[in-house]
Amino acid sequence: DTAVSQTPKYLVTQMGNDKSIKCEQNLGHDTMYWYKQDSKKFLKIMFSYNNKELIINETVPNRFSPKSPDKAHLNLHINSLELGDSAVYFCASSSTENSPLHFGNGTRLTVT
Amino acid sequence: EDQVTQSPEALRLQEGESSSLNCSYTVSGLRGLFWYRQDPGKGPEFLFTLYSAGEEKEKERLKATLTKKESFLHITAPKPEDSATYLCAGGQGGSRLTFGEGTQLTVNP
Repeated sequence: DTAVSQTPKYLVTQMGNDKSIKCEQNLGHDTMYWYKQDSKKFLKIMFSYNNKELIINETVPNRFSPKSPDKAHLNLHINSLELGDSAVYFCASSSTENSPLHFGNGTRLTVT
Repeated sequence: EDQVTQSPEALRLQEGESSSLNCSYTVSGLRGLFWYRQDPGKGPEFLFTLYSAGEEKEKERLKATLTKKESFLHITAPKPEDSATYLCAGGQGGSRLTFGEGTQLTVNP
């Protein structure tokens, strides 16, 4: 009964391709997030969704588009992948804005 | 701009050798200071939230403390299974959290 699950775990693709990462949480949380972790382990917020509405977008290129069909799911679609997009992408959720984050196990994206 | 700095970047301890990890922060409107543990290939796992200076929280061999400028994660008599990267984060909540770079802790048996 994984709380926050994301698929796939690994994604290897070529520059220019389009790919999606899926995320689901079964915690009943209202807010979901996408974070990017670079090679230096820094975690940076990309998007936040509160009950299916986007509430933040931290200067992420518009090649990245989050989609939330319902409050338990938050998918990330990436168009025209670039080498610099290689990173680990984490989905997370929280019950409120000030509550601790619950993270998935990440998707390691490698763009060649 | 909010900033969270962790030190040291890496720490090697012998089993049973107690030590502390540091998290310095300059965050406007801090609503909470969070500590997470991250194992290789996994997502960060929540450990503690501290809300005000002077607050302390404990869990097994870990104790987190908070001042107005820093937080410490004290590890007492660590075991090899405590080896992980420890992350701290501060801010106004989930969408406004600033993470530090983490301290990679290795505990040798």
